[in-house]
Amino acid sequence: GAGVSQSPRYKVAKRGQDVALRCDPISGHVSLFWYQQALGQGPEFLTYFQNEAQLDKSGLPSDRFFAERPEGSVSTLKIQRTQQEDSAVYLCASSPMGAYYEQYFGPGTRLTVT
Amino acid sequence: AQTVTQSQPEMSVQEAETVTLSCTYDTSESDYYLFWYKQPPSRQMILVIRQEAYKQQNATENRFSVNFQKAAKSFSLKISDSQLGDAAMYFCASTYNFNKFYFGSGTKLNVKP
Repeated sequence: GAGVSQSPRYKVAKRGQDVALRCDPISGHVSLFWYQQALGQGPEFLTYFQNEAQLDKSGLPSDRFFAERPEGSVSTLKIQRTQQEDSAVYLCASSPMGAYYEQYFGPGTRLTVT
Repeated sequence: AQTVTQSQPEMSVQEAETVTLSCTYDTSESDYYLFWYKQPPSRQMILVIRQEAYKQQNATENRFSVNFQKAAKSFSLKISDSQLGDAAMYFCASTYNFNKFYFGSGTKLNVKP
């Protein structure tokens, strides 16, 4: 089947604009993660969903960041009033039930805030 | 919280040779999992190998093996018979509850033909 997909792949936003990044996990995967990866760095955890429940959002850097997964499948990461420091690649990953250690990553969305 | 440290920003290896990538971690948990991920230039990260902390035996996956030293909190990755396709960023990661994963800053591996 298809892997994790993310859209858009590239997004340029002017400072102050709102953006929405979409993640389509592998069908049936229970767990979904969002990460922020700055240039030359490792992924930094943002938030975690189990089905539709957001169980951990401790990594969200500010209240401008909001994530949802209303039906337990597709997830959206929204960033309000974007700042230059938000420029990064945003990665989504999903895991199946019973193999929570096995994260399948999407290709990421590269966000550039100008 | 857990921290993961990769002290080698970049490594090079000759094709067919063996290379070892280093990783150290810090945790107060007694049970946790450690991982190595590979991120090729296309950016889709894939799992290379995992190790459960309660297992004393080092994990092996074909040409990839780990040296897990629990007391020293060290978790290195050995790649044998390196191939051109092994060139990528390698990230060490850990978790204790599968709700949150901690990644190191990565090691860029170059493979020379």
